[in-house]
Amino acid sequence: NAGVTQTPKFQVLKTGQSMTLQCAQDMNHNSMYWYRQDPGMGLRLIYYSASEGTTDKGEVPNGYNVSRLNKREFSLRLESAAPSQTSVYFCATREGPNYGYTFGSGTRLTVV
Amino acid sequence: QKEVEQDPGPLSVPEGAIVSLNCTYSNSAFQYFMWYRQYSRKGPELLMYTYSSGNKEDGRFTAQVDKSSKYISLFIRDSQPSDSATYLCAMGPFGNEKLTFGTGTRLTIIP
Repeated sequence: NAGVTQTPKFQVLKTGQSMTLQCAQDMNHNSMYWYRQDPGMGLRLIYYSASEGTTDKGEVPNGYNVSRLNKREFSLRLESAAPSQTSVYFCATREGPNYGYTFGSGTRLTVV
Repeated sequence: QKEVEQDPGPLSVPEGAIVSLNCTYSNSAFQYFMWYRQYSRKGPELLMYTYSSGNKEDGRFTAQVDKSSKYISLFIRDSQPSDSATYLCAMGPFGNEKLTFGTGTRLTIIP
């Protein structure tokens, strides 16, 4: 089993371009999350989905949109990329509240 | 003030030493606590999970929680070069979807 699969692994965008980060899990978990990780800032929650059909904002949602396509897939979209969105993005999943996360391997995004 | 404070290090210790990693928190609603290990250019992986005050042991790793002091620790015994990584603490209230992470401590074990 792959666990949590993120694509792409690396991406360089120009300011103003758009892109979608993909995440798929084969763990049959209800909850899925998108985090960004920046030096000195730790992991910050962008959006999460507690179950199929629901999404909620996290700590830093501005500039992002999400779609919970089905139970397996949760995508993150940048409509108009900005240099401040240069970061490493992690998708995570867990069975529900109070459980530990399983993280994907991350997407390294650079916006120039 | 951040809800979770973690010394970023870096921390370097010789192989075989006991390592102590710590986090403090301010939110008394936090009831369960985790430690994650993150190797360079990889995603974090869950190392330890606990929800009660006291110690929990798993092999060379011991997680300690003191809710009265709002202080958690991770001890690594007989440290190995393969333990070199960034260690993140994380915590949250029961039943809440959101988890709060520390900024991570970068640890290097010197052979």
